[in-house]
Amino acid sequence: AQTVTQSQPEMSVQEAETVTLSCTYDTSESNYYLFWYKQPPSRQMILVIRQEAYKQQNATENRFSVNFQKAAKSFSLKISDSQLGDTAMYFCAFTLYSGNTPLVFGKGTRLSVIA
Amino acid sequence: GAVVSQHPSRVICKSGTSVKIECRSLDFQATTMFWYRQFPKQSLMLMATSNEGSKATYEQGVEKDKFLINHASLTLSTLTVTSAHPEDSSFYICSAREPGQGGNQPQHFGDGTRLSIL
Repeated sequence: AQTVTQSQPEMSVQEAETVTLSCTYDTSESNYYLFWYKQPPSRQMILVIRQEAYKQQNATENRFSVNFQKAAKSFSLKISDSQLGDTAMYFCAFTLYSGNTPLVFGKGTRLSVIA
Repeated sequence: GAVVSQHPSRVICKSGTSVKIECRSLDFQATTMFWYRQFPKQSLMLMATSNEGSKATYEQGVEKDKFLINHASLTLSTLTVTSAHPEDSSFYICSAREPGQGGNQPQHFGDGTRLSIL
């Protein structure tokens, strides 16, 4: 079974600064996808970024980028130029490449951006 | 883009009531939908995988007679909480994956249902 671990229950960052959220996972599979989801107070689940395990290049989406270390099974999220609207719960998630498997989520990191 | 509609968004009812939550994929056919439960300040926990035209697959510890799932069409899955009690109060979220090759396809989430049992 796959597991996802987020070791930082809460973090805070000053507006305009950079913050990195950690995520590790465990799997015996070689092909899979990793995701970061944002859940603001509205509780909508918003996809932030996606990484395909077979791609070595780290995914980027505007101010959001990941550091994917496959051998270490690590998948951290870096948020640059943090904005007040980035305040939310962030969940790291995993799914297998094939088959209709669900997303497996970490416990989440509550990020507060401070003005 | 693809949208998943979940209804109702909020339910408050008395203990012993059965509550039905609907999850619809609006512009794609979803052969598989997933139901999650989220307690305050916790993560999403998978309850069951709903497959169109067949029985749902429940996660360990989830009572299938308590949480009835029906996936009668390619665009609709329903979760019925039968004889709900206060401990069933939670936030329930559905998601649907676009058809295609497994994890390669995006998974879209409904906006969730906040269930409060008095």
